[in-house]
Amino acid sequence: GIQVEQSPPDLILQEGANSTLRCNFSDSVNNLQWFHQNPWGQLINLFYIPSGTKQNGRLSATTVATERYSLLYISSSQTTDSGVYFCAVARNSGYSTLTFGKGTMLLVSP
Amino acid sequence: SAVISQKPSRDICQRGTSLTIQCQVDSQVTMMFWYRQQPGQSLTLIATANQGSEATYESGFVIDKFPISRPNLTFSTLTVSNMSPEDSSIYLCSVEDGQGSEKLFFGSGTQLSVL
Repeated sequence: GIQVEQSPPDLILQEGANSTLRCNFSDSVNNLQWFHQNPWGQLINLFYIPSGTKQNGRLSATTVATERYSLLYISSSQTTDSGVYFCAVARNSGYSTLTFGKGTMLLVSP
Repeated sequence: SAVISQKPSRDICQRGTSLTIQCQVDSQVTMMFWYRQQPGQSLTLIATANQGSEATYESGFVIDKFPISRPNLTFSTLTVSNMSPEDSSIYLCSVEDGQGSEKLFFGSGTQLSVL
């Protein structure tokens, strides 16, 4: 099956710092999503981004499908950004099942 | 986006017993997905539940262990049967955004501990 690798596995930041999280995948995809799991376990969908660039407030994401990677940018980080960030991909659009990466655990300290 | 209610939010169970987890969505959806997240791990798809047909299970998951019901387009249940401590995980229900996007949304999860 498709392989998803996320880096770094762990990241510690001071509040206000910027960060870039990376997701590499082993095959062509038509579906790529970024999620944030907060410390209470709730999973929030951040972006559906099989290609191109999107921005939502302090967060933005870029997927370069031809080079099989995606980046999640967090600017001016806040303590509420702490948690685990997952990248998930699927080969086909339509009915398809997502494969999740192992995640990047982010801790933002005040 | 869909609003997904999942219950119970957590439970502590004895080995050998079964637990049924309920998932209610505020809109009609074709497919509902059940995931497992073992402690400190990523998410693994257990099965996809379509209304009116048998659920489709992923490799490593079987119907006898994880029976699923899907009686209508807004509701599904997952049962974890004959539990052992290895079943201690977070179980999550999810659906795709019904407004033309494949964005996946999750319920708040069920934290299961098996003693």
